[in-house]
Amino acid sequence: DAGVIQSPRHEVTEMGQEVTLRCKPISGHDYLFWYRQTMMRGLELLIYFNNNVPIDDSGMPEDRFSAKMPNASFSTLKIQPSEPRDSAVYFCASTEHANTGELFFGEGSRLTVL
Amino acid sequence: KQEVTQIPAALSVPEGENLVLNCSFTDSAIYNLQWFRQDPGKGLTSLLLIQSSQREQTSGRLNASLDKSSGRSTLYIAASQPGDSATYLCAVMGYGGSQGNLIFGKGTKLSVKP
Repeated sequence: DAGVIQSPRHEVTEMGQEVTLRCKPISGHDYLFWYRQTMMRGLELLIYFNNNVPIDDSGMPEDRFSAKMPNASFSTLKIQPSEPRDSAVYFCASTEHANTGELFFGEGSRLTVL
Repeated sequence: KQEVTQIPAALSVPEGENLVLNCSFTDSAIYNLQWFRQDPGKGLTSLLLIQSSQREQTSGRLNASLDKSSGRSTLYIAASQPGDSATYLCAVMGYGGSQGNLIFGKGTKLSVKP
C-alpha cells in the first residue's frame, strides 16, 4: 500500500481565499484523523471519522473549518475564508483499530496564508 | 485536562552515545502511550506502543518504558547513529480508549553528530 496520501504538499494562498486539503487513507482503515501542527501548539487533533462518519469535531477551531468524508477512500478539510493564523502543517492519519492500532500519518500539507 | 511534556526540547549528542528521552503526563489514567519519530518535512512514524498494563517495549536499539503511577515514560536509544537525528514525540491515549483522545507532547529534537 502507498500509505496515507495527502495533497497538496504545499499551498500558499492569500487571506480570504478558500483552501481545500485532501487525504486518501490506507485501504481498509476505518478511522481517519485530521491534525494540525504548529511550533507554538504542537500537534492538535481537529476531527476524526469512523466509517466515514464524523465522531469528534471538538478540535475544529472555528466555523471556517469543515471536513467531509464522502467515502472510505477520500476526505477533505476545507478552510473558508482562510486567515494568516491558519498557517500550519495539516496532517491526515489513519488506523485500522482505534484503540490498539498503529497510527499511520501522511506527509502533511504545509499551508501558508499571506 | 491531560498535558504531555517532553524535556529537553532539543538534544545534541556524538555518535555512539546511549541516550534517554523523557516524556511526562499529568493524568495517569491512560490507555496507552506511543512514541513517534518525525523527520523534517515528513509525517510521523510510529516507533513503539506501550499498553497501560505493560512496563516496556523494545524494538531494535529502542526501548520505551512506562511508569503510569509517576506519569513518566522514557525512550532509550542505544548506540546512537546520525540516522537517528529527528524529532521524537510521545503521545498518550486517555480513557475512553479512542484514538481521538491521543494527546501529543511537543517533541524532543535529537541531533546525532558523526
